[in-house]
Amino acid sequence: DQQVKQNSPSLSVQEGRISILNCDYTNSMFDYFLWYKKYPAEGPTFLISISSIKDKNEDGRFTVFLNKSAKHLSLHIVPSQPGDSAVYFCAAKRTGANNLFFGTGTRLTVIP
Amino acid sequence: GAVVSQHPSRVICKSGTSVKIECRSLDFQATTMFWYRQFPKQSLMLMATSNEGSKATYEQGVEKDKFLINHASLTLSTLTVTSAHPEDSSFYICSAPPGQGGGYTFGSGTRLTVV
Repeated sequence: DQQVKQNSPSLSVQEGRISILNCDYTNSMFDYFLWYKKYPAEGPTFLISISSIKDKNEDGRFTVFLNKSAKHLSLHIVPSQPGDSAVYFCAAKRTGANNLFFGTGTRLTVIP
Repeated sequence: GAVVSQHPSRVICKSGTSVKIECRSLDFQATTMFWYRQFPKQSLMLMATSNEGSKATYEQGVEKDKFLINHASLTLSTLTVTSAHPEDSSFYICSAPPGQGGGYTFGSGTRLTVV
């Protein structure tokens, strides 16, 4: 049962434009959400997170938006750079638990 | 920042043999370590949670006798794939719970190929 879903397996964006990666979840007990960037044969690298008490968190070029009523979050990268090309995973944590539930990932390609 | 060192990064083994994967927390103590597995084009799926000084907790469907987890100290957790079969070929990765900044720290992963 995939509780965290990323319905777009891939996304291509021109350099300098905005990249928007989407994530949906089904479990209303999730209270903390994270975005990770992953290169092949490497571990995920933490990018940004957001608590369920917020609806937006910003860190440099990265902004995460959370819409609890829609059980949807998104990661905005602006401006996109070729070095941002990687697979992006969203992840969620349940109240009272420490393990993460991951989406299936979206491969972002930023075209120079 | 927190670093989790995972070894080996890549291993090829014969069917029926056992393989040990180590994860060490280098600059912090990890009382808990999460072990994930990722099949191609799929998400990371939690296999088990190791706890220092007590038995590991396995997710449903994961054979605890096949995937032996040991958390011998506050800085070392190991996963041993016993009697490996080709279907065990996968990317295995460990993760420590969040430290400063809120992000879980992941090891670099181990690509296991069973031939």
